[in-house]
Amino acid sequence: DIQMTQSPSSLSASVGDRVTITCRASQRIRTYLNWYQQKPGKAPKLLIYGASSLQSGVPSRFSGSGSGTDFTLTISSLQPEDFATYYCQQSYSTPYTFGQGTKLEIK
Amino acid sequence: QVQLQQWGAGLLKPSETLSLTCAVYGGSFSGYYWSWIRQSPRKGLEWIGRTDDSGITDYNPSLSSRITISVDTSKNQFSLRLSSVTAADAAIYYCARGPQYWYHFEYWGQGTPVTVSS
Repeated sequence: DIQMTQSPSSLSASVGDRVTITCRASQRIRTYLNWYQQKPGKAPKLLIYGASSLQSGVPSRFSGSGSGTDFTLTISSLQPEDFATYYCQQSYSTPYTFGQGTKLEIK
Repeated sequence: QVQLQQWGAGLLKPSETLSLTCAVYGGSFSGYYWSWIRQSPRKGLEWIGRTDDSGITDYNPSLSSRITISVDTSKNQFSLRLSSVTAADAAIYYCARGPQYWYHFEYWGQGTPVTVSS
């Protein structure tokens, strides 16, 4: 299985901050990398697919980049509704696997 | 507007079979992958497996001996059966839809908490 490792595991930031979360794959996955946001008691919500494509309806302050083994999710200016847990997921090969999550908290 | 609505028993005894169904409302049922995913504090998010509308399946090898995913296109539904459950199978189970490219999960069900206890 392809292992996905996110960093940091948790992050404190303020409204308006620029935040970057990283995800590393244990082997090359081209751009088959997706990002999700999850709030307590809710299902994950797709933000980015194919490493950099913004899902319809997702605000443009979210962006993704990377290829191969190293990827980033950037939130350009944090809004109050962005405080949540973020997951990366590889869809290069089955079994699809997820990172352990990055919890974004209010400073 | 695509909606996935799931249901099934939420409390099981060890060795019983978990059975969940996911109904799809809005959008086409064909041309997509229909997956089951679970989430637990111990293992995080774990992809269980998927089917397409023709019933071709792909399972996570870690669970493949115990799972069956089936599809009923006449009802726009797909189902998960997981046999011989143990406490390690306790989790929130989600159904999800994904396109047959990039293979991400764009629509999710509301989740079904499953507890395994004698």
